Amino acid sequence: EPEVTQTPSHQVTQMGQEVILRCVPISNHLYFYWYRQILGQKVEFLVSFYNNEISEKSEIFDDQFSVERPDGSNFTLKIRSTKLEDSAMYFCASSGSGGTQFFGPGTRLTVL
Amino acid sequence: GENVEQHPSTLSVQEGDSAVIKCTYSDSASNYFPWYKQELGKGPQLIIDIRSNVGEKKDQRIAVTLNKTAKHFSLHITETQPEDSAVYFCAALSAGAGNQFYFGTGTSLTVIP
Repeated sequence: EPEVTQTPSHQVTQMGQEVILRCVPISNHLYFYWYRQILGQKVEFLVSFYNNEISEKSEIFDDQFSVERPDGSNFTLKIRSTKLEDSAMYFCASSGSGGTQFFGPGTRLTVL
Repeated sequence: GENVEQHPSTLSVQEGDSAVIKCTYSDSASNYFPWYKQELGKGPQLIIDIRSNVGEKKDQRIAVTLNKTAKHFSLHITETQPEDSAVYFCAALSAGAGNQFYFGTGTSLTVIP
């Protein structure tokens, strides 16, 4: 069964450093998403991406964040200068035309 | 924007009993309501979903009901098993907000053997 994959599973970084979280969506999907989940809290929407551009973003997704689909398979989330409060699980999701979103296993980001 | 509320935050049931988790939403334009199960250290996994043109959907031991008038939807798990223990999230997709999901706060379900 096709699935969304994410790398790395755990990323530790120093405050102020740049991180890139990587995702490989399900191959025939066209819509891609990033979500964040701070420990013990709800899953929060960050951004959606379609047709090589951002279609929607939340207020969390400020200028420190960017997304890219550098090739036909990867979808990345970059945080330019990490802050302590960026520590969270980051989930990538993808969907086809039906709208059902399938989530990856997540990347745990720890900012020290 | 959409606001999704979920209750209860924790739920403990004896194995074999039923569990019910309820969510309310605020945006009448929301038209798709999935339920996700999240096990420790894993990403949310879709377990069942319902669209606004349907009032109820069932898949083996899991069912979801939707009341559009009252703007609430519920997850029902019957004959619970220990492996049902997880955090369950409801979500709503608003037709007026692209494909952005709004998640509930989650329910930690514990099934006691």
